Amino acid sequence: DTGVSQNPRHKITKRGQNVTFRCDPISEHNRLYWYRQTLGQGPEFLTYFQNEAQLEKSRLLSDRFSAERPKGSFSTLEIQRTEQGDSAMYLCASSLNRWPYEQYFGPGTRLTVT
Amino acid sequence: DAKTTQPNSMESNEEEPVHLPCNHSTISGTDYIHWYRQLPSQGPEYVIHGLTSNVNNRMASLAIAEDRKSSTLILHRATLRDAAVYYCILRRGFQGAQKLVFGQGTRLTINP
Repeated sequence: DTGVSQNPRHKITKRGQNVTFRCDPISEHNRLYWYRQTLGQGPEFLTYFQNEAQLEKSRLLSDRFSAERPKGSFSTLEIQRTEQGDSAMYLCASSLNRWPYEQYFGPGTRLTVT
Repeated sequence: DAKTTQPNSMESNEEEPVHLPCNHSTISGTDYIHWYRQLPSQGPEYVIHGLTSNVNNRMASLAIAEDRKSSTLILHRATLRDAAVYYCILRRGFQGAQKLVFGQGTRLTINP
């Protein structure tokens, strides 16, 4: 399967702990996006990369959140000092750098903060 | 960003056509209309997009009103696997690979 993969698929953590998620995009895609989705809502944009450069960050991405894409391939999203409000599905997507920039999504990582 | 309005939910029967409406009265001339859908426990997937003319692909058809203030996603013969949340999204063409702005979408239920 050459689609977008995300690991882990589920993560349960205690409030205050740090967590890190990984996204592996489709290999030839140089754009990578992170979204967050809470129950009953549509996904909300967090940030995106073109190659290794982080080009846009949402105001939702507080100082506790950091995303990297060090070699322009896989990406990590880290949440420090997790809070219960961080409980959500974290979705990664990738696209080619040409119109219509169709985004291919991974299955997501479901985070539960207890 | 121009906004879209969709019904919260719709229901249809298997093997019948489904018409999913979307209103976008503040659409600008350079906004493309994109549709994504999200099957249960999966990430969203691209369905179709268009600017002015009606569009067809293997998944669906997109009918765009002449004034472009509304559009309809048409599933010609719904199957149980089409049960999903369908999102209508406007994307400005010349701005490149910008983020997707999702609303709440329409939850489509297909009855066997």
